[in-house]
Amino acid sequence: AQKITQTQPGMFVQEKEAVTLDCTYDTSDQSYGLFWYKQPSSGEMIFLIYQGSYDEQNATEGRYSLNFQKARKSANLVISASQLGDSAMYFCAMRGKSIKYNFNKFYFGSGTKLNVKP
Amino acid sequence: DGGITQSPKYLFRKEGQNVTLSCEQNLNHDAMYWYRQDPGQGLRLIYYSQIVNDFQKGDIAEGYSVSREKKESFPLTVTSAQKNPTAFYLCASSISGIYTDTQYFGPGTRLTVL
Repeated sequence: AQKITQTQPGMFVQEKEAVTLDCTYDTSDQSYGLFWYKQPSSGEMIFLIYQGSYDEQNATEGRYSLNFQKARKSANLVISASQLGDSAMYFCAMRGKSIKYNFNKFYFGSGTKLNVKP
Repeated sequence: DGGITQSPKYLFRKEGQNVTLSCEQNLNHDAMYWYRQDPGQGLRLIYYSQIVNDFQKGDIAEGYSVSREKKESFPLTVTSAQKNPTAFYLCASSISGIYTDTQYFGPGTRLTVL
C-alpha cells in the first residue's frame, strides 16, 4: 500500500539554525516522485522541492535540500539557516501509481508544524 | 503571471444549499484536482480530471460534483448531500498525470456551513 508517514507533529528551531523534517514512505513501485510542500497560515500549498525515485543525487533548491535514502525509504527535508518566515506546516507527498484509480495519485503525510524562534 | 486562482476565498453556506467553488488555471495544464483539508489533517482527494470532458471520483466524492468543460476551469459543487462540508478546499493542477509532474495549488477556499 502507498503511504507517507511524518512522525513529528511539531518542531521548534532557532533562527539561523538548520532543521530536518522527517518523512518515510511505503511503496512497492519502482517509479515514483517525492515532494515537499509548505503551507503557511494563509493556507496555500507552496511547492518546495522534488526528488524522483531514479535520481541518484539529492535534490536541492536554495535553502532546501532533500535527503533521499532509497533503501530506507526516507525523504527528509533539510532547511538550512532557518528564517522566521519558515514557520509553517510542511507536508511530504509521494506521487505513485494507484491501482484503484489507474493514475499517479498524490499521497500526503499528516504534516509537521515548524516554529522558528527568534 | 501563470497560476491557479480560486474564488471566493471565504464562503458561507446555509444547510440545504448547493454552492460552487471556482478554480481557474492559466498554466496550460491538462490535469486538475480538488482536495479537502480538515483542521490539523492532510489532504484528501475529492475529484480529479486528467483531460477536458473527463473526470473521476477520488477518495471522498460523495456529496460533491464537478465539471471540466474547458481546460482552464474545474469548478466544484458542494451539494446538500454533503453532510459535513465545513473545511478548506484546495484546487491543484499538473502538466499531466505522470509521476514526475509537480502539482501546483491555488490559494484555497474556506467553506463554513451556518
